[in-house]
Amino acid sequence: KQEVTQIPAALSVPEGENLVLNCSFTDSAIYNLQWFRQDPGKGLTSLLLIQSSQREQTSGRLNASLDKSSGRSTLYIAASQPGDSATYLCAVPYNTDKLIFGTGTRLQVFP
Amino acid sequence: NAGVTQTPKFRVLKTGQSMTLLCAQDMNHEYMYWYRQDPGMGLRLIHYSVGEGTTAKGEVPDGYNVSRLKKQNFLLGLESAAPSQTSVYFCASRPLAFGGTGELFFGEGSRLTVL
Repeated sequence: KQEVTQIPAALSVPEGENLVLNCSFTDSAIYNLQWFRQDPGKGLTSLLLIQSSQREQTSGRLNASLDKSSGRSTLYIAASQPGDSATYLCAVPYNTDKLIFGTGTRLQVFP
Repeated sequence: NAGVTQTPKFRVLKTGQSMTLLCAQDMNHEYMYWYRQDPGMGLRLIHYSVGEGTTAKGEVPDGYNVSRLKKQNFLLGLESAAPSQTSVYFCASRPLAFGGTGELFFGEGSRLTVL
């Protein structure tokens, strides 16, 4: 069964730092991997979707990488801002139809 | 540009009562999902549907039923609510193939409290 782990569980940093969030998965036979952001009391918003044939995907200050062979993905946030404070989750497909989520990394960026 | 809409957003039930959560999407997506989110447990899949008229069980289906009579709607029912079903429920949808975009879109959530 696919298992997804996110480290660290929580992170608190000063504004301006560059950050790396980690996502590990046990079954490397995945089609893609998706990163989400969740603000308190809100739903999940898709940030980046990396297909299995890609190594990286970029959107603004966000860069996500995927290494299937090692079962890892990283989300890099450049020049962090207080508005980046949220919980970040990764998800991978399981048995074609379903997605398995990690438990998330809760990020706080203070001014 | 509604995307995925869930109703109601908040509900309080007494143990044993029944209710239905409605999820509607306007993106013509084939796949729809119901998840519950609990502190320390992450998102867990309750039921899902791969198309109109189909449903399938996820990780935690007990105590819930679903129906997908129309492609745009996915209903989640609780026949006899229990305090253990106190949670935030999220609906999500995505287009057909993981090999294509496969991007998952979420609703804003429905917060259910069972007393």
